[in-house]
Amino acid sequence: RKEVEQDPGPFNVPEGATVAFNCTYSNSASQSFFWYRQDCRKEPKLLMSVYSSGNEDGRFTAQLNRASQYISLLIRDSKLSDSATYLCVVSTTGNQFYFGTGTSLTVIP
Amino acid sequence: SQTIHQWPATLVQPVGSPLSLECTVEGTSNPNLYWYRQAAGRGLQLLFYSVGIGQISSEVPQNLSASRPQDRQFILSSKKLLLSDSGFYLCAWSATRHTEAFFGQGTRLTVV
Repeated sequence: RKEVEQDPGPFNVPEGATVAFNCTYSNSASQSFFWYRQDCRKEPKLLMSVYSSGNEDGRFTAQLNRASQYISLLIRDSKLSDSATYLCVVSTTGNQFYFGTGTSLTVIP
Repeated sequence: SQTIHQWPATLVQPVGSPLSLECTVEGTSNPNLYWYRQAAGRGLQLLFYSVGIGQISSEVPQNLSASRPQDRQFILSSKKLLLSDSGFYLCAWSATRHTEAFFGQGTRLTVV
């Protein structure tokens, strides 16, 4: 079983739409959670950390449900520049970061 | 501020040739260091991580090896490349095991 699983998409949404991504993780002892963004042929870049109480950064909201072992990312008022692959990342009790395969988002004019 | 450098950006190597990719971090000490590989259209696969000089943990058995000769230097090597070694290799660092990781710009390796 994979450490982290994501719906690969693709998600094609119009500008201004709200889109949500979900991610599940298998290790109940996982400690830290993140969302990264990866543009085509580029390195992943940190979008936001995910805290137990949920957190918001502008148009982006991240939620963590430890009981169900899933993480979500909500993007409101989608922009063309939001088009990218979004990676769910989980850090375990060891020193490893495990990445989901990513969810592809294309925002359409 | 902290920066991470990875080179080369692109590399084309014949099957059976050796490989050496280097990654250095500046502006921090005793970072956790990581090597990942991303095959075309696939997710990131953790290859190696290191919590200190000379300390290497391998996640996946393969013909690759890693070394950490200095605190902020992480090297990925192979004695003989295979076609299946082609991919996008990414070095990353984190301050501790639970803080976020930051990536270098990656090396796109094509084995021909």
